[in-house]
Amino acid sequence: QSVLTQPPSVSGAPGQRVTISCIGNNSNIGSGFDVHWYQQFPGTAPKLLIYGNSNRPSGVPDRFSGSKSGTSASLTITGLQADDEADYYCQSYDNRLRVFGGGTTLTVL
Amino acid sequence: QVQLQESGPGLLKPSQTLSLTCSVSGDSIRSGGFFCSWIRQYPGKGLEWIGYIYHSGITFYNPSLKSRVAMSVDTSKNFFSLEVTSVTIADTAVYFCATDVGYDGFDHWGPGILVTVSS
Repeated sequence: QSVLTQPPSVSGAPGQRVTISCIGNNSNIGSGFDVHWYQQFPGTAPKLLIYGNSNRPSGVPDRFSGSKSGTSASLTITGLQADDEADYYCQSYDNRLRVFGGGTTLTVL
Repeated sequence: QVQLQESGPGLLKPSQTLSLTCSVSGDSIRSGGFFCSWIRQYPGKGLEWIGYIYHSGITFYNPSLKSRVAMSVDTSKNFFSLEVTSVTIADTAVYFCATDVGYDGFDHWGPGILVTVSS
């Protein structure tokens, strides 16, 4: 049972926009801790996609954006592409404890 | 560019001790100022943060595993290690080492190592 709640799966057609939610509570996201997002392809390590709620590391396309409000956060992908098909995880904190969401599998139809 | 690489046995029997090492290259654990974490991923997806060690040796472990976990760091050889005692089948997972600087997310990961616990 993951601390942060994500939908198990989302899907969209190429070119469309999808949003993945990440729901926490007042001991983690709601306490003001930042949310980060990771992208993971099968057989590889997760890669930092969004940090500090809405910042993109160098090299991440601006099709990926993040936001946070209250006890939840979301990752939005616009202009969906076939190679966006992957698992996506949110991560935040409960004081010093690092906590993850259960992951969302994105399928590009 | 920081690179991490896990190493250690991939197969254990129940009750044995899991021991993994993460070698760091491209930056110094001491001067880099990052927290060295271990994270595991169960078959079927879920990620669980196990704990971190700082270059000073300060550790913080996930309470869910705290009684069975120990981490250490060797700043002269630039690696850090994980031990999990009394493993069970439930400890079967891919184990990743990763680093973060405070609260900015895990920006570097090792490729991961599959550890299977089986009798």
